[in-house]
Amino acid sequence: DIVMTQSPDSLAVSLGERATINCRSSQSVFDSSYNKNYLAWYQQKPGQPPKLLIYWASTRASTRESGVPDRFSGSGSGTDFTLTISSLQAEDVAVYYCQQYYSAPPTFGQGTKVEVK
Amino acid sequence: QVQLVQSGAEVKKPGASVQVSCKASGYPFRDYYMYWVRQAPGQGLEWMGWIDPYNGDTSYSQKFQGRVTMTRDTSIATAYMELSRLRSDDTAFYYCATNGGRCSGGNCYYAYWGQGTLVTVSS
Repeated sequence: DIVMTQSPDSLAVSLGERATINCRSSQSVFDSSYNKNYLAWYQQKPGQPPKLLIYWASTRASTRESGVPDRFSGSGSGTDFTLTISSLQAEDVAVYYCQQYYSAPPTFGQGTKVEVK
Repeated sequence: QVQLVQSGAEVKKPGASVQVSCKASGYPFRDYYMYWVRQAPGQGLEWMGWIDPYNGDTSYSQKFQGRVTMTRDTSIATAYMELSRLRSDDTAFYYCATNGGRCSGGNCYYAYWGQGTLVTVSS
């Protein structure tokens, strides 16, 4: 199984500041045939199911799910990926997960908790 | 719009079985894979498997092989996940999810999620 490791486990960011979450996979999730990284990001708030933020992560332009604010962006390729919240808002307090869907079984990172400093 | 509505919370004793249902609406049920993911309280996300509602094909995580059964009833657009021989560490929220037909095959991200069903296993 591909192991997904996120860092840090938690971070506290001031409102309006940038938050950066890293995700590393134990093997590449890039498919050269399709030129795609099989990597997605989710946001989960307490008492709610995960919400898809970004999929087909890319060094150029990851695909943002419809309705997701453009302060959320994803980047990376191969084994190293980043989720960036450019200007943290109060409603962004949540746990964030990366997921690889390159190979079965799909696996998730352990989660990164984002709080307001 | 795509909507997945799951059955209510369950309390079970160790060794029992539980069945969670997931009623889909807003899309052609047979056309999109249904996935099941669980999350122990305060813990991360764990993939359990998927079912192809079109033909009933399934794929299960090795961790749950022999204990999990995923089925569907296309007449009522509902998917089911049954977990048997429950243990205390099966206490978790169980989610159904679908990709909305965005990928071919079972490897995909999950665009739509049910609200979750809490299964508590306790003697």
